[in-house]
Amino acid sequence: KQEVTQIPAALSVPEGENLVLNCSFTDSAIYNLQWFRQDPGKGLTSLLLIQSSQREQTSGRLNASLDKSSGRSTLYIAASQPGDSATYLCAVRQYNQGGKLIFGQGTELSVKP
Amino acid sequence: SAVISQKPSRDICQRGTSLTIQCQVDSQVTMMFWYRQQPGQSLTLIATANQGSEATYESGFVIDKFPISRPNLTFSTLTVSNMSPEDSSIYLCSVAVSSTDTQYFGPGTRLTVL
Repeated sequence: KQEVTQIPAALSVPEGENLVLNCSFTDSAIYNLQWFRQDPGKGLTSLLLIQSSQREQTSGRLNASLDKSSGRSTLYIAASQPGDSATYLCAVRQYNQGGKLIFGQGTELSVKP
Repeated sequence: SAVISQKPSRDICQRGTSLTIQCQVDSQVTMMFWYRQQPGQSLTLIATANQGSEATYESGFVIDKFPISRPNLTFSTLTVSNMSPEDSSIYLCSVAVSSTDTQYFGPGTRLTVL
């Protein structure tokens, strides 16, 4: 059974810092991995999707990497801003699961001005 | 991408009643998903709704409690039946865009059961 873990559960950093969020999964046979952002009381915003054949994806200040063999993904945020404060969720999709996403518990990020 | 709207955005309901949540997508999609996010928890898939067929429920979720309709390729409803306080959660619908494999989520329906 696939399990997704995110560490740390919460993170507080000063504005301008570069930071890394971690996601690990127990079954490396994934179809893809997606990073989301969730603001309090809101839905999810898709940030980056990495297919199983890819090693990384970049969008602006965000860079996500994937190492399937070790069951890990990282989300790197450069030059953090207070507007980056949110909960970040990673989710994996497996083969033959009909599109079902399995989510980690999330990392709650706070960027202090 | 896909733009998804949900109604209602939030509701407060009495124990024993039912609530139907609507999900509208701005494009035709094959697969729609309903997730639940309990307070302080991550998301758990309730069921997958494909147009023209019965919804497929995950372990721990049953059709009598969470009946789903999928009348066309842009719309779905989830009903939370005979509610109890344990049903207080955010309910989110999601779609998968086949061209990119990306999944998009609606804004969620925040349900409180008293």
